[in-house]
Amino acid sequence: NAGVTQTPKFRVLKTGQSMTLLCAQDMNHEYMYWYRQDPGMGLRLIHYSVGEGTTAKGEVPDGYNVSRLKKQNFLLGLESAAPSQTSVYFCASSYRRKTGANVLTFGAGSRLTVL
Amino acid sequence: DAKTTQPPSMDCAEGRAANLPCNHSTISGNEYVYWYRQIHSQGPQYIIHGLKNNETNEMASLIITEDRKSSTLILPHATLRDTAVYYCAPSGNTGKLIFGQGTTLQVKP
Repeated sequence: NAGVTQTPKFRVLKTGQSMTLLCAQDMNHEYMYWYRQDPGMGLRLIHYSVGEGTTAKGEVPDGYNVSRLKKQNFLLGLESAAPSQTSVYFCASSYRRKTGANVLTFGAGSRLTVL
Repeated sequence: DAKTTQPPSMDCAEGRAANLPCNHSTISGNEYVYWYRQIHSQGPQYIIHGLKNNETNEMASLIITEDRKSSTLILPHATLRDTAVYYCAPSGNTGKLIFGQGTTLQVKP
């Protein structure tokens, strides 16, 4: 049981390049989320998904696209990377309990640098 | 989405109780209050959550005011390993958490 796995852990890009971050969870969770965290700042929600085939925008969606083709995977894409997207990216997943509560499990993070 | 206000930093002596406050005056009726912490640059770790009643688990206690506009996380016997950034965040049906700046707790020997 690996929990939430993010790939890659580190990546350096040049401005204008594209890349995809992969988040995989083996807990059969319905909900998945992508956050970014800049130095000294709190986490900000980029996009999230409440089920396979569905996605929604978070606080800072511009410059990112996402896909949830399989329940266990949530992909975050950068079509044309910019230095402002240099950040640590965290993925999380959760399920809604019978009580209505929704506890997130986070991955270890992916550190992206855009030169 | 409900906004939160937390003090930027707090100190606590090792072995003493750490009381971390959070203001969430715009919380909706169906939103739980969640607390997470982040140690160094690791992924946030879940601590506790509550709706109306006070809650306790093996990690901490959560006190929620009757009007639900604020809450306090209590670490009963803080250790050096509890040094971290603590976040409170109300959240509803989608589970999405909107984090604020959090409180940096420094536990000192």
